[in-house]
This record gives sequence, structure tokens and C-alpha cells, in this order.
Amino acid sequence: ELKVEQNPLFLSMQEGKNYTIYCNYSTTSDRLYWYRQDPGKSLESLFVLLSNGAVKQEGRLMASLDTKARLSTLHITAAVHDLSATYFCAVGMDSNYQLIWGAGTKLIIKP
Amino acid sequence: GAGVSQSPRYKVAKRGQDVALRCDPISGHVSLFWYQQALGQGPEFLTYFQNEAQLDKSGLPSDRFFAERPEGSVSTLKIQRTQQEDSAVYLCASSPFAAGGKDGYTFGSGTRLTVV
Repeated sequence: ELKVEQNPLFLSMQEGKNYTIYCNYSTTSDRLYWYRQDPGKSLESLFVLLSNGAVKQEGRLMASLDTKARLSTLHITAAVHDLSATYFCAVGMDSNYQLIWGAGTKLIIKP
Repeated sequence: GAGVSQSPRYKVAKRGQDVALRCDPISGHVSLFWYQQALGQGPEFLTYFQNEAQLDKSGLPSDRFFAERPEGSVSTLKIQRTQQEDSAVYLCASSPFAAGGKDGYTFGSGTRLTVV
């Protein structure tokens, strides 16, 4: 059974700081997704990582995937208040079409 | 349409009532998914359609849950005899690809179901 663990689950940080969110998963997969969710809103796709060593960047966010370690990271550089949201990672199962989701990391960035 | 549209946005149902939730995916999208998201948690898979074929319904929590996509576009998730534990946000997602979603999935805004 595929399990996905995110940490931390809650993160409060100051503007201008750097931090990393971790996503570990328990079995092999070749698809990993990062999503953002604002309160009361739906899920917005941030990154799709499809191969070992994949790295993608968009603005202050950078995501990477290490399939051998079964680990993905979402790195935040020089955080700004607008990045406050809950961030989810989701892993695609090789055997079917499901995505298995982490519990989410609630990120609060204080001015 | 421009995005995935779900209706209603909010639904309050009395325990035991039947409900129907609608999803209008992006035009031409082959894949359609239903997920259930409880408060403060990540989404959980319910079911998957490829065009009109329901290829995976392993996540449906009981036989009270039923989903259909008869013409390969609009989908309806029906919950019979609702229970309090059915209270959640029901999310619909679509993708132009048959599997893998290499460009990610587009989610609708969800239907928040509250069973009282």
C-alpha cells in the first residue's frame, strides 16, 4: 500500500526566509505532483515531476524528485506573504490511476 | 469551458437524503476523477473514468456511492441515504490524457456537502 508523508504539517515563517517541505512515499512511483490550496478554494497545480532528478522552478518555489530515496522537496526561497497556503504532494501509483495524497503542509508567512 | 465546473458549490442534506453532485470537465478531457476531501486532510480517491468507462471505483466507500459519466463528458456522483460521515468536500478533476496526467490534473472548486 502506497503511503505519502509530508513534513512539517504546519510551518510559520517570516518573510524573506528560506524553507523546505518534504514529501516521502513508501513504494515506487514515477509521478509526483505538488499542489497549492488556499482556504475554501480548490487545488492549483504547481509542479509535475516525472523522472529521477527532475527539478522544476517557478518564481520562489522549486521542486525536486529523488525516486531512489522516494523523496520530493518543495523549497521556498525568500518567502513572501502571498505564498501562505496549504501545499500538498500527491504520488501516482504505477498500477492504477489513483493519486495518493499527503496530509498537506499549512504554511503561514508573516510580514 | 475554461475550467472544471462543479455544482452545487454547497449542499446541506438531512441524514438519509439522497444527493447528486455534478462535474462538468474541461471539454475534450479524457480522464475524470472524483476525490473526497475531509476537513484538514488531503483528498482521497473515489473513482476514475476514461471517457464513459468507469475503470476504477475502488475508492467508493460504500454501495451508497455511485458515479456515472454516460456520454464521456459530464459526470454525476450520487450518494444515497447520506450519513454524517459523508460530510466533506467532493472534488472533481480532469486531464486530457488517458493516464499519468503528465501535465497535472485540473480540479474544480468542489462541492461542500454537509449532512445534518
